[in-house]
Amino acid sequence: DIQMTQSPSTLSASVGDRVTITCRASQSISNWLAWYQQKPGKAPSLLIYKASSLESGVPSRFSGSGSGTEFTLTISSLQPDDFATYYCQQYNSYSGYTFGQGTKLEIK
Amino acid sequence: EVQLVESGGGLIQPGGSLRLSCAASGFTVSSNYMSWVRQAPGKGLEWVSVIYSIGTTYYAASVKGRFTISRDNSKNTLYLQMNSLRAEDTAVYYCAGALDSSGPKGRCIDYWGQGTLVTVSS
Repeated sequence: DIQMTQSPSTLSASVGDRVTITCRASQSISNWLAWYQQKPGKAPSLLIYKASSLESGVPSRFSGSGSGTEFTLTISSLQPDDFATYYCQQYNSYSGYTFGQGTKLEIK
Repeated sequence: EVQLVESGGGLIQPGGSLRLSCAASGFTVSSNYMSWVRQAPGKGLEWVSVIYSIGTTYYAASVKGRFTISRDNSKNTLYLQMNSLRAEDTAVYYCAGALDSSGPKGRCIDYWGQGTLVTVSS
């Protein structure tokens, strides 16, 4: 099974900061990686698919990069609405999906 | 408009069974890749099961042999039959779909329901 490891688990930042979250796969997943944002009590929401493609309606301050086993999600200038938990997910494997353990983005 | 509405959650004793439903609208369940994803209280997301358009199914190791994913094409509804429930199955269960499987997103999950809470406790 493919394992996904996110870092950091918690990230404290201020409005206007540039932040980066990293996701590592235990084996190559090409660019079959998605990033989701989840707010308390809500379902996850797709931000990025195929490692770097921005989902329709998602602000351009969100960007993704990487391929193979190393991936990053960057928020260029944090807005108040961005404080949430972020998950990476691989969908390379036909036999199932795997999520990272999540990164909670907190207000400093 | 795409909508996924889960139902069937509740309080169940260990060892019991429960069937979750996910009523879909705005698209055809049988033509897409549909999954169940769960989230234990205060924890991260865990993929549970997927059913592909051709009917192939897969399960997470933690539920294999106990849970069954299925669909009713006439009702455009996805199901998750959960048997031999354990305390560690307590979670919000989300119905989720990859509705652009033939497009650039591939098997990426792009739609989610609001979730239904399953609590396994005596």
